[in-house]
Amino acid sequence: GQQVMQIPQYQHVQEGEDFTTYCNSSTTLSNIQWYKQRPGGHPVFLIQLVKSGEVKKQKRLTFQFGEAKKNSSLHITATQTTDVGTYFCAGSGYSTLTFGKGTMLLVSP
Amino acid sequence: ETGVTQSPTHLIKTRGQQVTLRCSSQSGHNTVSWYQQALGQGPQFIFQYYREEENGRGNFPPRFSGLQFPNYSSELNVNALELDDSALYLCASSLRTGGTDTQYFGPGTRLTVL
Repeated sequence: GQQVMQIPQYQHVQEGEDFTTYCNSSTTLSNIQWYKQRPGGHPVFLIQLVKSGEVKKQKRLTFQFGEAKKNSSLHITATQTTDVGTYFCAGSGYSTLTFGKGTMLLVSP
Repeated sequence: ETGVTQSPTHLIKTRGQQVTLRCSSQSGHNTVSWYQQALGQGPQFIFQYYREEENGRGNFPPRFSGLQFPNYSSELNVNALELDDSALYLCASSLRTGGTDTQYFGPGTRLTVL
């Protein structure tokens, strides 16, 4: 079945530093979704990428979908303490989302 | 917030018992998906219901079952609980439009099996 892998598992940065998490799928994806989960919370939808090579920005967050639609990345510029949480990518199949294990981001002030 | 609610918030059961978890969808949504999230892991797809029919199932045994009601709310039932069933159970509602659904997660039910 479809597998989605994320790296790194964990990253600790100083406030103001940049952060990137990478997502790779074993199969070509129809689209990819990104979620953020705060400690003790539930996944919150951030964005969906559909087109090959697509790049979308949300303020300090930049999302990319690879040309082959098998990989994606999330880049945060100048992290803030409010960015703390686990970032998940999820590959979309017909009726399912296959989540990666997530990248936990810690930001020290 | 997403408008998706789940009950109860927390639950403690013992091995072998049965549990029912509930989910109310966001208004206007016709699809509910259930996920199991073990500590430190990503959510794992259990199954999805669309218009009261099961519409896809992940790699979970038959003791995990579900229902969707005419108002699109849903239940997840787990029989013969095992210790490994301890997890956060998330439901997500969406509107099936023919494309890819954006799923909106509820706050989850934290199940502990002793």
